[in-house]
Amino acid sequence: AQRVTQPEKLLSVFKGAPVELKCNYSYSGSPELFWYVQYSRQRLQLLLRHISRESIKGFTADLNKGETSFHLKKPFAQEEDSAMYYCALLSGGYQKVTFGTGTKLQVIP
Amino acid sequence: DAGITQSPRHKVTETGTPVTLRCHQTENHRYMYWYRQDPGHGLRLIHYSYGVKDTDKGEVSDGYSVSRSKTEDFLLTLESATSSQTSVYFCAISDRHTTGNEQFFGPGTRLTVL
Repeated sequence: AQRVTQPEKLLSVFKGAPVELKCNYSYSGSPELFWYVQYSRQRLQLLLRHISRESIKGFTADLNKGETSFHLKKPFAQEEDSAMYYCALLSGGYQKVTFGTGTKLQVIP
Repeated sequence: DAGITQSPRHKVTETGTPVTLRCHQTENHRYMYWYRQDPGHGLRLIHYSYGVKDTDKGEVSDGYSVSRSKTEDFLLTLESATSSQTSVYFCAISDRHTTGNEQFFGPGTRLTVL
């Protein structure tokens, strides 16, 4: 069975500091991974996906199949980055998605 | 926001009563999902649907049932609500051909079971 692990429940960083939100997965097939973000009083929304290899709001994430990781990184944190971040794994033919437990990012001014 | 709504947005009910939550979409997406969000557990899949009348269980399906009689509506029913079902419930939709595999989420329903 697939599993997504986000080891940090809360990550506090100062504004301007680098950010790394960790995500590890277990899945026997070829994974498709995503990061979703939930800002205060907003809907959960897609931040980025590994297949597009894009940078959104300064965030990047690289799929490392050897380490089964998909860590989210940003070189300089901004206050508006404060939110809940979820790593997610898509599996199976019916688009079943497994989410991690989430990491709350708090950027201190 | 994608055309996805949930009703009711808030509900307080008593243990043992039946509760039905509705998810409605105007995007004609094939896949629909129900999740619950709890502190320390993140988002957990309850049930999902891959077409009209086609549904399957997620990881926390006990105590829940679903129905999808038409593309736009996905109903989640708690047959006999328990306090452990107090949570925030999110509906999501996706369609591989139009949105890739991105999921779009509804605003959530906050359910309190007393």
